[in-house]
Amino acid sequence: EAQVTQNPRYLITVTGKKLTVTCSQNMNHEYMSWYRQDPGLGLRQIYYSMNVEVTDKGDVPEGYKVSRKEKRNFPLILESPSPNQTSLYFCASSLFPGSVANYGYTFGSGTRLTVV
Amino acid sequence: RKEVEQDPGPFNVPEGATVAFNCTYSNSASQSFFWYRQDCRKEPKLLMSVYSSGNEDGRFTAQLNRASQYISLLIRDSKLSDSATYLCVVNNDMRFGAGTRLTVKP
Repeated sequence: EAQVTQNPRYLITVTGKKLTVTCSQNMNHEYMSWYRQDPGLGLRQIYYSMNVEVTDKGDVPEGYKVSRKEKRNFPLILESPSPNQTSLYFCASSLFPGSVANYGYTFGSGTRLTVV
Repeated sequence: RKEVEQDPGPFNVPEGATVAFNCTYSNSASQSFFWYRQDCRKEPKLLMSVYSSGNEDGRFTAQLNRASQYISLLIRDSKLSDSATYLCVVNNDMRFGAGTRLTVKP
């Protein structure tokens, strides 16, 4: 089954403890992206990647890192999480950058992160 | 002004009603538009693309008004299962609106 898989689905952590949220897709998609969703603000893009080893900042990159060492994986790293990073996170992918405009995204199931 | 704006609702309608949502955008060069549906605490799923000439998929009709810079989604004969948040998405870099919440009641 074609899908985007995120892990974990739920995570409660403490301020300052480094964490990684994994994202993997099995569709050979070139384009991958991370969003956070907060009430009243909708989805905001954190980082995106157009291909292996090519990553760029989105609208809200502060406090996050990403890597794209292989096509299928796009982990989101919080080196020192803070309470304002408590949010619902979605990973998404599309066949190639231009195809987002035509076909939209496939989203992962989301990761609900709470930082206390 | 936000790049993409939606009325957050909630819209509470009875079954069988017709309901419409609008979404305004600020970038006049925007070329691509979508409506996504998001159920509570789940991932957004593509509902339909919005084409310049307007398009229909069953009970759902999407339209684009470039002159006034908005897209719309019309749902006819609402079902209980249509209850969800509807997100509009504009432009190649996928700018999401904050969503409009719809509740269809028996």
